[in-house]
Amino acid sequence: DTAVSQTPKYLVTQMGNDKSIKCEQNLGHDTMYWYKQDSKKFLKIMFSYNNKELIINETVPNRFSPKSPDKAHLNLHINSLELGDSAVYFCASSYTSGSIYEQYFGPGTRLTVT
Amino acid sequence: GDSVTQMEGPVTLSEEAFLTINCTYTATGYPSLFWYVQYPGEGLQLLLKATKADDKGSNKGFEATYRKETTSFHLEKGSVQVSDSAVYFCAQYNTDKLIFGTGTRLQVFP
Repeated sequence: DTAVSQTPKYLVTQMGNDKSIKCEQNLGHDTMYWYKQDSKKFLKIMFSYNNKELIINETVPNRFSPKSPDKAHLNLHINSLELGDSAVYFCASSYTSGSIYEQYFGPGTRLTVT
Repeated sequence: GDSVTQMEGPVTLSEEAFLTINCTYTATGYPSLFWYVQYPGEGLQLLLKATKADDKGSNKGFEATYRKETTSFHLEKGSVQVSDSAVYFCAQYNTDKLIFGTGTRLQVFP
């Protein structure tokens, strides 16, 4: 009964390819997020969706396109992959009501672009 | 803008040593503060949290107190174990997102 799951766990691909990463949460949360963690472990938010609506869209190349088919899923599609896209991508989810915005993270997808 | 600053790592300790990892923040308003832990090869897990000044978050022997006057949320543990070896992230939630520090790697040796 994994709370936040991501597939695949590892993704190795060549420059110029298009790839997708999938995320699912079974916690009943209404908000989902994508984060990028670089090789120095720096973690930065990319997107967030609340009830399938885009809430946060940080300065991310438009080659990255999130899609939320329903509240429990948030997928990340990346076009024309570049070497600099190599990183670990984390999905997370949370409630937005209440005063403590605790986020639950998935195990991460390590993307390597060659 | 809002930010979180953590001490550079790695922090290397012997088992049963006392741990402090410093964290300070800059924010407009009064953020909620968090410590997350990332074990090797895993995602982040919430370790502890505090939502207002003078709150103390605690979990698994770790503690951190929300100090508004010094804008700090330092993580402490009285006696670390080898199993505590991980990367620790301080974070704040203020308006609409979590902002993380750069992480501090802790290595504990027997």
